[in-house]
Amino acid sequence: GDSVTQMEGPVTLSEEAFLTINCTYTATGYPSLFWYVQYPGEGLQLLLKATKADDKGSNKGFEATYRKETTSFHLEKGSVQVSDSAVYFCALSDRGNDMRFGAGTRLTVKP
Amino acid sequence: DAGITQSPRHKVTETGTPVTLRCHQTENHRYMYWYRQDPGHGLRLIHYSYGVKDTDKGEVSDGYSVSRSKTEDFLLTLESATSSQTSVYFCAISGGGGGADTQYFGPGTRLTVL
Repeated sequence: GDSVTQMEGPVTLSEEAFLTINCTYTATGYPSLFWYVQYPGEGLQLLLKATKADDKGSNKGFEATYRKETTSFHLEKGSVQVSDSAVYFCALSDRGNDMRFGAGTRLTVKP
Repeated sequence: DAGITQSPRHKVTETGTPVTLRCHQTENHRYMYWYRQDPGHGLRLIHYSYGVKDTDKGEVSDGYSVSRSKTEDFLLTLESATSSQTSVYFCAISGGGGGADTQYFGPGTRLTVL
């Protein structure tokens, strides 16, 4: 079945460092890809998404490009802030009722 | 923020007791979902609903049942709770149910089964 694999954490960075969180997927169809973020004690919030190959999703300085040839959707940000500390989840959905999530990557940004 | 509330937010119960978690939405979205979140597993779908009285199983449905008698409410029931059902439970909603549709999540319910 469809699945998502994302890099294990935790990831600890200094403020203004470059962030990459790797995400690869396995799917039989043509899924949409998502990055969700979870702040402490809260539910998941959509960070960005891409619905077809070569699409780039972006939001709040974060970017990810849907790469069909490498089945990847890596999350990047050029300069992280302390407020970016959270858990990040990569997810895919071929149909809305089958969204599959990665295990999550905890990011801590230190001042 | 999408209008989704979950109740209770925290619950401690004993093995063998029934438990019902409630999800309430004010967005009039057709689709509603229940997930559980466990370390190392991300979120896994338990059940979902595609309309009033229309529900279907997800990846980890054993030991859970759901009901949806109104558009705005989606109930998750553990008929006889077990320690393996200790988890954080999230409700989500979406408008169209398609693969590209964003799901909006509630704040979660932390359930501990002793």
